[in-house]
Amino acid sequence: KQEVTQIPAALSVPEGENLVLNCSFTDSAIYNLQWFRQDPGKGLTSLLLIQSSQREQTSGRLNASLDKSSGRSTLYIAASQPGDSATYLCAVRMDSNYQLIWGAGTKLIIKP
Amino acid sequence: NAGVTQTPKFQVLKTGQSMTLQCAQDMNHEYMSWYRQDPGMGLRLIHYSVGAGITDQGEVPNGYNVSRSTTEDFPLRLLSAAPSQTSVYFCASSYGLPAGGWNEQFFGPGTRLTVL
Repeated sequence: KQEVTQIPAALSVPEGENLVLNCSFTDSAIYNLQWFRQDPGKGLTSLLLIQSSQREQTSGRLNASLDKSSGRSTLYIAASQPGDSATYLCAVRMDSNYQLIWGAGTKLIIKP
Repeated sequence: NAGVTQTPKFQVLKTGQSMTLQCAQDMNHEYMSWYRQDPGMGLRLIHYSVGAGITDQGEVPNGYNVSRSTTEDFPLRLLSAAPSQTSVYFCASSYGLPAGGWNEQFFGPGTRLTVL
């Protein structure tokens, strides 16, 4: 059974720092992996989607990498800003399966 | 495009009451799903649908019912509300890829439900 883990559960860093959020999964037979952002009391916003054949995806200050063989994905945030404060979730979709399997998220706080 | 919309935003029910959470999308997505999110836990899939007339159970389907009569709408029914169903409910949709598989998921803003 696929399990998705995000460590740490919470992270607090000063504004301007570059940071990395981690997502690990136990079964490497994934179809794709998606990173989301959730603001308090809000819905989820899709940040990046990485297909299993891809190594990384970039959007602005965000870069997501995928290493299927080691069961890891990272979300790199460059030059962090207070507006980046949110909970970041990763989810994997397995081969030929409609369901997403979710991590519990990392709550990120960027201190001004 | 409005994307994925959900109504109501907030709802308070008494134990035993029934209600329907509405979800609609205007992106012509085949795949729609319902999740619940509880503190300290990841999102859990309740039911999903891969097209009009086709629904299936997710991880936590008990106490919920769904139907998909149109591509656009995917309502979630609580048959007899229980305090354990107090949660935030999210609806999501995505489109299928020509070569098979499913692409990026889009989420609605959520419905915060309290059952007393």
